[in-house]
Amino acid sequence: QSALTQPASVSGSPGQSITISCTGTSSDVGAYNFVSWYQQYPGRAPKLMIFDVTNRPSGVSSRFSGSKSGNTASLTISGLQAEDEANYYCSSYTSTNIVFGGGTKLSVL
Amino acid sequence: QVQLQESGPGLVRPSQTLSLTCTVSGGSITSGSNYWSWIRQTAGKGLEWIGHIDASGSTNYNPPLNSRVTMSLDTSKNTFSLKLTSVTAADTAVYYCAREGTNWGNWLAPWGQGTLVTVSS
Repeated sequence: QSALTQPASVSGSPGQSITISCTGTSSDVGAYNFVSWYQQYPGRAPKLMIFDVTNRPSGVSSRFSGSKSGNTASLTISGLQAEDEANYYCSSYTSTNIVFGGGTKLSVL
Repeated sequence: QVQLQESGPGLVRPSQTLSLTCTVSGGSITSGSNYWSWIRQTAGKGLEWIGHIDASGSTNYNPPLNSRVTMSLDTSKNTFSLKLTSVTAADTAVYYCAREGTNWGNWLAPWGQGTLVTVSS
């Protein structure tokens, strides 16, 4: 059982926008702006997509954006493309640890 | 650009010690203020942060694993290592090393390709 709660799956059609939620507590997501998001293809290592809630690393498409409200962080992907089909994980600092969500499988229909 | 590569035995016997090394290329592990992390992934528990070490050798470990984990640096080889003692089948996982941001937990990038470690007799 993961510390952060994500929906198991989300889906969308090419061109649409989707949002993946990540719910924590006042001890992790709600307490710190150290929330990050990772994209993982099967059999591959995770790749950083968003850090510090809203920041995109160099090279990551502007179609990816992050936000936070209270104990819930969100990843939004706009203009869905087939290549976005992957698993997405959120992560947060907790003062003694780094915790992850259980992952969300994004299907592009 | 910085790249990381895990290495070590793919099979460890129960009650023995799991030992992995992460080789960093494209940058020095002692430059900057980054942490260097180990993370593991299982189908059942998902991603689990194991701990990290900084350039001075200072460490922080995930509390549930604290009694079994030791991390170290070898600056001459530009590597950092993980030892996990008294392993059980529950420690079977893909183990990743990654560079962590200068603030504890703000990001992990890049990650190594990962190495599968199976605990079995």
